[in-house]
Amino acid sequence: GIQVEQSPPDLILQEGANSTLRCNFSDSVNNLQWFHQNPWGQLINLFYIPSGTKQNGRLSATTVATERYSLLYISSSQTTDSGVYFCAPSGSRLTFGEGTQLTVNP
Amino acid sequence: DAGVTQSPTHLIKTRGQQVTLRCSPKSGHDTVSWYQQALGQGPQFIFQYYEEEERQRGNFPDRFSGHQFPNYSSELNVNALLLGDSALYLCASLWGGGSYNEQFFGPGTRLTVL
Repeated sequence: GIQVEQSPPDLILQEGANSTLRCNFSDSVNNLQWFHQNPWGQLINLFYIPSGTKQNGRLSATTVATERYSLLYISSSQTTDSGVYFCAPSGSRLTFGEGTQLTVNP
Repeated sequence: DAGVTQSPTHLIKTRGQQVTLRCSPKSGHDTVSWYQQALGQGPQFIFQYYEEEERQRGNFPDRFSGHQFPNYSSELNVNALLLGDSALYLCASLWGGGSYNEQFFGPGTRLTVL
């Protein structure tokens, strides 16, 4: 199956800082999603991005499928951005990485 | 537009017991996938149901079984519970079974096995 590696595993920021989260995957994929998991366990959809670049407010994502990686950019971070960020590429099913634990301090 | 719903939210069982978790998909979706998320790890795919049949299965033993009903809702059954089955169980729905459309997740059921 697809192997997924996310980096960094942990990230601590001050409010207002920018960050880039990376997701490498081992095989060609048909789909890739980014999620934010809040402290209560709910997975919130951020992006559905098999290729190209998308933006939604302070967040944007880029997937370069030919090079097997995706990036999630968070600008002007807020304390509410804290939580775990997962990328999940899909061949025939979503495969999750270990996630990046983001902590944004006021 | 109702999102994915799951019940119950929390459940405590003892080793050897059986448990049933329930999921209703997002309106307009016909496919349900189940995932297990152990503490500190990413979710792992258990299986997917489409047209009332199991279409794909991850690396989980036969103790894990499921069902999909004509209204597309789904159940996950786990028999002979082990301590290691303690986890957050997530249900996701999408349209078009086996396709690569966007998946949406429910709030999860937190299962504790004592």
